[in-house]
Amino acid sequence: EVQLVESGGVVVQPGGSLRLSCAASGFTFDDYTMHWVRQAPGKGLEWVSLITWDGTTSYYTDSVKGRFTISRDNSNNSLYLQMNSLRTEDTALYYCTKDLLYRAFDLGFDSWGQGTLVTVSS
Amino acid sequence: QSVLTQPPSASGTPGQRVTISCSGSSSNIGANYVYWYQQLPGTAPKLLIYRNNQRPSGVPDRFSGSKSGTSASLAISGLRSEDEADYYCATWDGGLGGIFGGGTKLTVL
Repeated sequence: EVQLVESGGVVVQPGGSLRLSCAASGFTFDDYTMHWVRQAPGKGLEWVSLITWDGTTSYYTDSVKGRFTISRDNSNNSLYLQMNSLRTEDTALYYCTKDLLYRAFDLGFDSWGQGTLVTVSS
Repeated sequence: QSVLTQPPSASGTPGQRVTISCSGSSSNIGANYVYWYQQLPGTAPKLLIYRNNQRPSGVPDRFSGSKSGTSASLAISGLRSEDEADYYCATWDGGLGGIFGGGTKLTVL
């Protein structure tokens, strides 16, 4: 059974930094692209970033480019999101998701974690 | 304002057929596959339709997806009370990366 467990969400001040983690199990981690998707309180879903199965390619939504960095450690089946220069509009539940496709990527996420809440507030 | 346009709400009575639309452009829906997600209250989203019209195992065949040009639709037939949820379309956009529609809240009357 696929399991994705996020951690690291806390309350942080504007301008601060945070690193989210996602521990993956139940599948061959280094065969799948991983994504972060967020959902602000009471709002819709927003794709944030992806990193390919081998860690060589990453993409970001425009609003986080230059501030967030996605990474992975295939030896430890872990996904990360380093978040710098945080803004109040980054407040959201952050989901770690697994891509449906083997060694490819698209917007099909067949497994989701339970999410970790990031609150940016002074 | 999302690049993918969905109606904010939809409704139907039990047993009815409901469709939810998702409108985009040539750089997103027109060029890529569309995915649909169901989010029940207080839970993580669930993949409902992939690659325009494919259902993951375990998703009832009451749910179906279609795509034509720069628009896509999700149809739910034989509506049930447990279908009451938020529904999102998603696709890749050549200039923006991954994008979701704004979501449609489905109410079963």
